[in-house]
Amino acid sequence: GAVVSQHPSRVICKSGTSVKIECRSLDFQATTMFWYRQFPKQSLMLMATSNEGSKATYEQGVEKDKFLINHASLTLSTLTVTSAHPEDSSFYICSASKSSGTEAFFGQGTRLTVV
Amino acid sequence: AQRVTQPEKLLSVFKGAPVELKCNYSYSGSPELFWYVQYSRQRLQLLLRHISRESIKGFTADLNKGETSFHLKKPFAQEEDSAMYYCALRSVGGSARQLTFGSGTQLTVLP
Repeated sequence: GAVVSQHPSRVICKSGTSVKIECRSLDFQATTMFWYRQFPKQSLMLMATSNEGSKATYEQGVEKDKFLINHASLTLSTLTVTSAHPEDSSFYICSASKSSGTEAFFGQGTRLTVV
Repeated sequence: AQRVTQPEKLLSVFKGAPVELKCNYSYSGSPELFWYVQYSRQRLQLLLRHISRESIKGFTADLNKGETSFHLKKPFAQEEDSAMYYCALRSVGGSARQLTFGSGTQLTVLP
């Protein structure tokens, strides 16, 4: 099967600092990865689409300068939350699809808490 | 714009009873519909997709374009079916392949 791994699974950071979350496709190449945010008891909201070798596409209302996305290789995308604030505390999930496939494989998610 | 609606946040049934999780969508083109499941403390995973017309773990879902629905059904619920279920839609074709999720339904199967 296809495995997507996120790291870290939990992180606590101080307000004003930056946090990097990694999303890796372990056994397949993913030209496109997606970053979602999930608030408690709510649905997954797409934040951005990460394309290998090019700029990410952000959804309306998502600040690209705050949520920096880098997709430098076919197996790794990173999301950096810059100058984090308590309202950025959330569950962040990435997903990836094989280049030829339609199924999305999800990471285990990262619980970010900004104190 | 595409939208997925799951009207029930919580659903409880007894073991052995039939279960139906509702999903309605709005989309102007031809969508791909999926059901994803998230068991306790596990990652989101695909349960089934409408194009496969398959039954997974006893669950089936039929795409009804007239009613714009994709309800998930199982005739006899099991305790291990307790989980969070998300209905999702993806547009067919084009460069965008991201999923739009419903708000999810927490299914609890009681013994």
